[in-house]
Amino acid sequence: DIQMTQSPSSVSASVGDRVTITCQASQGISSWLAWYQQKPGKAPKLLIYAASSLQSGVPSRFSGSGSGTDFTLTISSLQPEDFATYYCQQANSFPLAFGPGTKVDIK
Amino acid sequence: QITLKESGPTLVKPTQTLTLTCTFSGFSLSTSGVGVGWIRQPPGKALEWLALIYWDDDKRYSPSLKSRLTITKDTSKNQVVLTMTNMDPVDTATYYCAHRRGGKVGGRPLNWFDPWGQGTLVTVSS
Repeated sequence: DIQMTQSPSSVSASVGDRVTITCQASQGISSWLAWYQQKPGKAPKLLIYAASSLQSGVPSRFSGSGSGTDFTLTISSLQPEDFATYYCQQANSFPLAFGPGTKVDIK
Repeated sequence: QITLKESGPTLVKPTQTLTLTCTFSGFSLSTSGVGVGWIRQPPGKALEWLALIYWDDDKRYSPSLKSRLTITKDTSKNQVVLTMTNMDPVDTATYYCAHRRGGKVGGRPLNWFDPWGQGTLVTVSS
């Protein structure tokens, strides 16, 4: 089974900051990775699929990159509504797996 | 517009069987490529994928829970049902259903989820 790790587990940042979250797969998954945003008490929302494709309606300040085992989610200029927890998910093979999450909170 | 909503008991006793229903609109599970998945999240913890059913009735399960899970679909009712046997307090979680997206690469399906239902909190306690 493919295991997913994320770093950091939490990050404190200010509005306007550039934030980068990394996700690593235990084996190569090509570009088959998705990123989700989850706010407290809400369901996850798909941000990025296929490592770098922006889901419709998602602001362009979100971007994804990477392939193989190492991936990155970048928020170019953090906005108040971006404070949330972010999860990666490998979509390459079963069993599907999510990372442990990265919480972005206010500095 | 695609919407999904989970329903079922909020409290179950240890050893009981949990039955959750996902009722959806905006798509049909008889359409090629379509799928619905279940994912859960214990309080304060990460997401865990449980099961996925495709339009052609292909079913996939988390290996760690496979012996306890059954996923079925009722295309005429636009519903997907997940049953989990022998519930334990560690199964306390918010359970989500979600619409599967993704194509195929080399005959292998790719699977991410959008959108998700609002989730339903299931507590396992005597």
